[in-house]
Amino acid sequence: SYVLTQPPSVSVAPGQTARITCGGNNIETKSVHWYQQKPGQAPVLVVYDDSDRPSGIPERFSGSNSGNTATLTISRVEAGDEADYYCHLWYSSSDRYVFGTGTKVTVL
Amino acid sequence: EVQLVESGGGLVQPGGSLRLSCAASGFTVSSNHMNWVRQTPGKGLEWVSSIYSGGNTYFADSLKGRFTIFRDNSKNTLYLQMNSLGAEDTAVYYCARRFYSEGRGYRHAFDIWGHGTMVTVSS
Repeated sequence: SYVLTQPPSVSVAPGQTARITCGGNNIETKSVHWYQQKPGQAPVLVVYDDSDRPSGIPERFSGSNSGNTATLTISRVEAGDEADYYCHLWYSSSDRYVFGTGTKVTVL
Repeated sequence: EVQLVESGGGLVQPGGSLRLSCAASGFTVSSNHMNWVRQTPGKGLEWVSSIYSGGNTYFADSLKGRFTIFRDNSKNTLYLQMNSLGAEDTAVYYCARRFYSEGRGYRHAFDIWGHGTMVTVSS
């Protein structure tokens, strides 16, 4: 099976940049999606296909994917960005979806 | 408004069965690729199952054939039939729609999620 590894937590001061990584074997060959989940709420799609944003998602959210690591970048972090973030992809070799382990972003 | 509303969760004894429902509004379930995702309390997300618009179905290996996904087109509703439930199945279950991008077709991201329904397996 395919494993996606994320750091358990990331801390960032308001106005700074948060970078959340998602590690997977040769992940650059796959399309990675990112979700934001606040306590007691359903996940919200913030980036799809490595770097595209759904309508309504601020430009402060961006993504990249290279080598064995995909990255979600949150620029000019705000208090409202405090949440859990998950990476996600379709593993075509076995026709299965995989989610990352999740990263808790804390705004200091 | 495009919306998904899950129901059917609750307390069930080990070895029991439960059927979850996911009622859609604002779009047609049968014309979309639909999914179930679960989240153990305090833990991460786990993909459970998918059904494509053409009817193909997919399941997580961990389910070992205990779950079935299907839809009722007349009710515009997605279902998850869960059998032989164990403590490991205790979770919040979400239904989610696969994202369709104009000009690019279906992407593997999930753009619309329900609020979730809690399933507790315990004696």
